[in-house]
Amino acid sequence: GQNIDQPTEMTATEGAIVQINCTYQTSGFNGLFWYQQHAGEAPTFLSYNVLDGLEEKGRFSSFLSRSKGYSYLLLKELQMKDSASYLCAVMDSNYQLIWGAGTKLIIKP
Amino acid sequence: IAGITQAPTSQILAAGRRMTLRCTQDMRHNAMYWYRQDLGLGLRLIHYSNTAGTTGKGEVPDGYSVSRANTDDFPLTLASAVPSQTSVYFCASSDSDANTGELFFGEGSRLTVL
Repeated sequence: GQNIDQPTEMTATEGAIVQINCTYQTSGFNGLFWYQQHAGEAPTFLSYNVLDGLEEKGRFSSFLSRSKGYSYLLLKELQMKDSASYLCAVMDSNYQLIWGAGTKLIIKP
Repeated sequence: IAGITQAPTSQILAAGRRMTLRCTQDMRHNAMYWYRQDLGLGLRLIHYSNTAGTTGKGEVPDGYSVSRANTDDFPLTLASAVPSQTSVYFCASSDSDANTGELFFGEGSRLTVL
């Protein structure tokens, strides 16, 4: 079966750095996505990786290793507004998105 | 403001009743999707449409139907609601010609079936 694993919850301190991991086992691979979802709101797109390596976008970076079935989302200079759930999703060989359950990130002052 | 509009925002429904969740987008995206989101689970695809006039079944289609008469609208119908359909429903769209496949989501419809 297809599976996306990410931690259920993480806690970090304002101003610090946090890394949210995602491992996947899917039928084929056509890209990995990270979305941010604040409580009670819609998910919003953060990043897309299809090649190995690091993609940096401001305070957020996303890394992919296809051989290891592994990605992480790195958040730097954490702000209170970064408190949200972070969803990892993989597009399989049929171009269908398989979603992880999300990681709830709690930022403490 | 361009985007996706869902209605209603929330609804309490008696079991056995028929319900249609509405979804409209003004971005001229060809692909549209309906997901449900339940606590502790990832988003699960109910139905999708790659272009106007076509629809397909997702991971959890039973008890739901959709139609795509035009590019903008993609309603989701529960013919006879059951309590297990209590969930938050998200409509989404994407420009399938774009490289990233980024999804744009509506604000969600919270449905409670009693």
